[in-house]
Amino acid sequence: GQQVMQIPQYQHVQEGEDFTTYCNSSTTLSNIQWYKQRPGGHPVFLIQLVKSGEVKKQKRLTFQFGEAKKNSSLHITATQTTDVGTYFCANSNSGYALNFGKGTSLLVTP
Amino acid sequence: GAGVSQSPSNKVTEKGKDVELRCDPISGHTALYWYRQSLGQGLEFLIYFQGNSAPDKSGLPSDRFSAERTGGSVSTLTIQRTQQEDSAVYLCASSLAAGLIQTQYFGPGTRLLVL
Repeated sequence: GQQVMQIPQYQHVQEGEDFTTYCNSSTTLSNIQWYKQRPGGHPVFLIQLVKSGEVKKQKRLTFQFGEAKKNSSLHITATQTTDVGTYFCANSNSGYALNFGKGTSLLVTP
Repeated sequence: GAGVSQSPSNKVTEKGKDVELRCDPISGHTALYWYRQSLGQGLEFLIYFQGNSAPDKSGLPSDRFSAERTGGSVSTLTIQRTQQEDSAVYLCASSLAAGLIQTQYFGPGTRLLVL
């Protein structure tokens, strides 16, 4: 499957600060999905992007898919301690197998 | 309804022993997936079922790994002659069907430790 690279690997912010994680690919992606995994938990689906330049919002979370469909980002405005966890991007060209990035672990201190 | 369930939640075994991991998908979901997550790593695709058939087994790391699904529901992942490098969290997911727009719902995972 296609490799998706995520940066940064770790991010530590103070509560109230913004946070962004980036997902990059050397080839065009048909879609990108974002998952959140809380410490000790399992991945939970957040969103899927399929269109070039697509932007979707979920409350304080903003997801973008690049115009060339080679990168994506997740931005969290005014982080809260409940945002703690690892955020994964994933893509699937096969229609079933998800290829996950290695994730960005977010730590939020009050 | 209930989510994806997996058992056991934790498994400690000795090197060389066989283990069986079970997954109960969400009722009505025809597609089922197994992934592996090693410490600090992303998720690695292992195998996918559509109904009882496994069209893609390419992610299975070695011939010690096998999986089956019966009745279009429960799936079992078997690891024979376990090795220490098999230690990981094994995650199962299911979706209504296979396809790019289908959301995969993950179970809580089985944490396997091979001593």
